[in-house]
Amino acid sequence: DIQMTQSPSSLSASVGDRVTITCRANQGISNYLAWYQQKPGKVPKLLIYAASTLQSGVPSRFSGSGSGTDFTLTITSLQPEDVASYYCQKYNSGPFTFGPGTKVDIK
Amino acid sequence: EVQVVESGGGLVKPGGSLRLSCAASGFAFSSYSMNWVRQAPGKGLEWVSSISSSGSYIYYADLAKGRFTISRDDAKNSLYLQMNSLRAEDTAIYYCARGGVRYTALADYWGQGTLVTVSS
Repeated sequence: DIQMTQSPSSLSASVGDRVTITCRANQGISNYLAWYQQKPGKVPKLLIYAASTLQSGVPSRFSGSGSGTDFTLTITSLQPEDVASYYCQKYNSGPFTFGPGTKVDIK
Repeated sequence: EVQVVESGGGLVKPGGSLRLSCAASGFAFSSYSMNWVRQAPGKGLEWVSSISSSGSYIYYADLAKGRFTISRDDAKNSLYLQMNSLRAEDTAIYYCARGGVRYTALADYWGQGTLVTVSS
């Protein structure tokens, strides 16, 4: 089975900072990679699919890139409402594994 | 408005069984794959099981194989997860999530979740 890893596991940044989260698959998954945001006490929300396509309604400060085994989620200007945990997930074939998550806080 | 609402969680003893339900509305349920994802207290998201729109393709995480059974009833717009031989480590919020028309596990709408607690 393909394993998903994320780094860092947590980060603290200032409002307005550029934030980058990395997701890695131990085998190629083409671009079948989604990113989810889960704010504290809330339900997960789909942010990005196909590695780089923003879900409808997601602010343009979020972007995704990558293909194959290495992917990134970037927040170009961190906002207080972006405090959340972020998870990547492969969805090309089962098992549809999530990464362990990255917790983003405001410094 | 798309809605998925889970029910059926609760307290169960180790070795016991529970059946979760997910009632869907606001979309053509029979055209979409559906998923169960869980989250243990203070932990990350963990994919549990998925079922295709036709019900012909079913997927389980290793944690669920042999113990959990996913099913759907399109006439009732409902998704189910039968959980047997429950263990303490199955304690989690269980989310129902709508998958894609094309991609089974691409979950674009999530329910609020139902809490399953396995404890003696």
